[in-house]
Amino acid sequence: QKEVEQNSGPLSVPEGAIASLNCTYSDRGSQSFFWYRQYSGKSPELIMSIYSNGDKEDGRFTAQLNKASQYVSLLIRDSQPSDSATYLCAGGGAGSYQLTFGKGTKLSVIP
Amino acid sequence: GAVVSQHPSRVICKSGTSVKIECRSLDFQATTMFWYRQFPKQSLMLMATSNEGSKATYEQGVEKDKFLINHASLTLSTLTVTSAHPEDSSFYICSAPLGIGYEQFFGPGTRLTVL
Repeated sequence: QKEVEQNSGPLSVPEGAIASLNCTYSDRGSQSFFWYRQYSGKSPELIMSIYSNGDKEDGRFTAQLNKASQYVSLLIRDSQPSDSATYLCAGGGAGSYQLTFGKGTKLSVIP
Repeated sequence: GAVVSQHPSRVICKSGTSVKIECRSLDFQATTMFWYRQFPKQSLMLMATSNEGSKATYEQGVEKDKFLINHASLTLSTLTVTSAHPEDSSFYICSAPLGIGYEQFFGPGTRLTVL
């Protein structure tokens, strides 16, 4: 059974710090990985996608993928209170639209 | 802007009634859409995969006769909660994949309250 594991948190970081969110996955056939942000009472919003080993940067966000270790991470630099949300990690297999989601990590950025 | 819309955003109904939720892909075609349910403070739960032109695929434990899914066109999928009961009260969210990277984009969700 495909699984995506995340620490549920809450993860608390001070404003301006780097928030590090981690995720592991069980299916070695997974090809694509995504990070979603979900504010309370709202639907998930895609913030990063990554498909190959290494780092991918977009503004204050950096996604990291290590397929050998089956590990995905998201770094948020200069964290802001508005970053406080639950972050969902998801993985997808080759040729399939279906994603497997982790349970999410709740991030709190303290002003 | 939004790429997936849902309607209604919020619905309150009496126990025993049926509720239809629409999910539309905006400016792109989606042969596949997904329906999720999320209870308060819990994670997303995939209910079913909606397939244009064929039957939906339901996850284990999801009653297909209770949650009717119809993928009427390449831009529209509907979820009908039949004979709704208070335990069906939840946040229902649809998603559609867009692009070669299989990114899923979520609709804004429908909050269902069954009295």
